[in-house]
Amino acid sequence: DIQMTQSPSSLFASVGDRVSITCRASQGISNYLAWFQQKPGKAPKSLIYASSSLQSGVPSKFSGSGSGTDFTLTISSLQPEDSATYYCQQYNAYPLTFGGGTKVEIK
Amino acid sequence: QLQLQESGPGLVKPSETLSLTCTVSGGSISSSSYYWGWIRQPPGKGLEWIANIHYSGNTYYNPSLKSRATISVDTSKNQFSLKLNSVTAADTAVYYCASRVVVIAAGISHWYFDLWGRGTLVTVSS
Repeated sequence: DIQMTQSPSSLFASVGDRVSITCRASQGISNYLAWFQQKPGKAPKSLIYASSSLQSGVPSKFSGSGSGTDFTLTISSLQPEDSATYYCQQYNAYPLTFGGGTKVEIK
Repeated sequence: QLQLQESGPGLVKPSETLSLTCTVSGGSISSSSYYWGWIRQPPGKGLEWIANIHYSGNTYYNPSLKSRATISVDTSKNQFSLKLNSVTAADTAVYYCASRVVVIAAGISHWYFDLWGRGTLVTVSS
């Protein structure tokens, strides 16, 4: 199985900050990576696919980058509504696997 | 607009079979551009993929479930279902159904989860 490791597991940041979350795959997955946002008590919401393609309707403050084993999700200007847990997920190979999540909180 | 809705019992006894159904509305489950999947999330924990199915019957399963899971599709009802047998307390989780759409990016097919149901909590307890 391909292991997905996210860092940090949690972070505190201020409104307006630029925030970056890292996701590392245990083996190369090209750009077969997606990012999701999950708010408490809600289903995950798709943000990015193909490592850097923005899902329709998602604000452009979210961006993704990376290929191979190292990936990054960036929020350009953090807002209170961005407080959530963010997950990466690889779809290069079965079984599909998710990172452990990064909880983003506002200072 | 595609929507997915899970349904099924919220309480299942240990050693019994968990059965859930996902109803797809606003689109056809028989679209070749979709796989349909189940993902679960134990309380306070991360996400675990369970299984995918295509309307043609093509299926994929997470080996970690040791063949306890069965996914099926009913095109006449626009639904797909999950059965998980021999459940234990470790199977207590919110179960989500999701659509996995194909998008072509730079000439490469990307199958990713684009839409999720709201989820349903299943508790395994006697």
